[in-house]
Amino acid sequence: AQKITQTQPGMFVQEKEAVTLDCTYDTSDPSYGLFWYKQPSSGEMIFLIYQGSYDQQNATEGRYSLNFQKARKSANLVISASQLGDSAMYFCAMREAGFQGAQKLVFGQGTRLTINP
Amino acid sequence: DVKVTQSSRYLVKRTGEKVFLECVQDMDHENMFWYRQDPGLGLRLIYFSYDVKMKEKGDIPEGYSVSREKKERFSLILESASTNQTSMYLCASSLGAAISGANVLTFGAGSRLTVL
Repeated sequence: AQKITQTQPGMFVQEKEAVTLDCTYDTSDPSYGLFWYKQPSSGEMIFLIYQGSYDQQNATEGRYSLNFQKARKSANLVISASQLGDSAMYFCAMREAGFQGAQKLVFGQGTRLTINP
Repeated sequence: DVKVTQSSRYLVKRTGEKVFLECVQDMDHENMFWYRQDPGLGLRLIYFSYDVKMKEKGDIPEGYSVSREKKERFSLILESASTNQTSMYLCASSLGAAISGANVLTFGAGSRLTVL
């Protein structure tokens, strides 16, 4: 069974510092995808970044980058120059195949990030 | 912008009541999902649907059923609510089979259900 593990329940970071949120995964499928979502206090899940298992380069989206280490089965999210608005829950997720191409996501437990001024 | 709308943000129900959670998306997405979110457990998939009238069980379907009579609407039904179903419920949608891997799920704002 596929599994996602986020070992940091909470993190506290000073504004403007970089932060790394850890995510490890377990799958026997050679083709998979990894996602990071942000959930602010409003509750809505916001897609941040995606990495495919065959992608040669680490994904980047603005201040977000994904440190993909395939051999170690890790997909850590790096946020550069953190801002107060980055305070939120962050979820790592992995795509698993479903019926008729409906790609389901399996989620980790989440990390609550707090940015201090 | 894709929009996924969940009809109720907060609901309070009594044990044994039948509860309907409604979800509507406006971008003609084939796939729709219901997740449950609990602290320390992340999001867990209850049911999903890949077409009208088609549904598949997720990881925790017990105590729930779903209905998808129209492409844009996916309903989660608690036939007889219990206190252990107190949770945040998130609906999501996505396009059909993706050619590339990044078939992103778009989520609604969530429905927080309390069962007394």
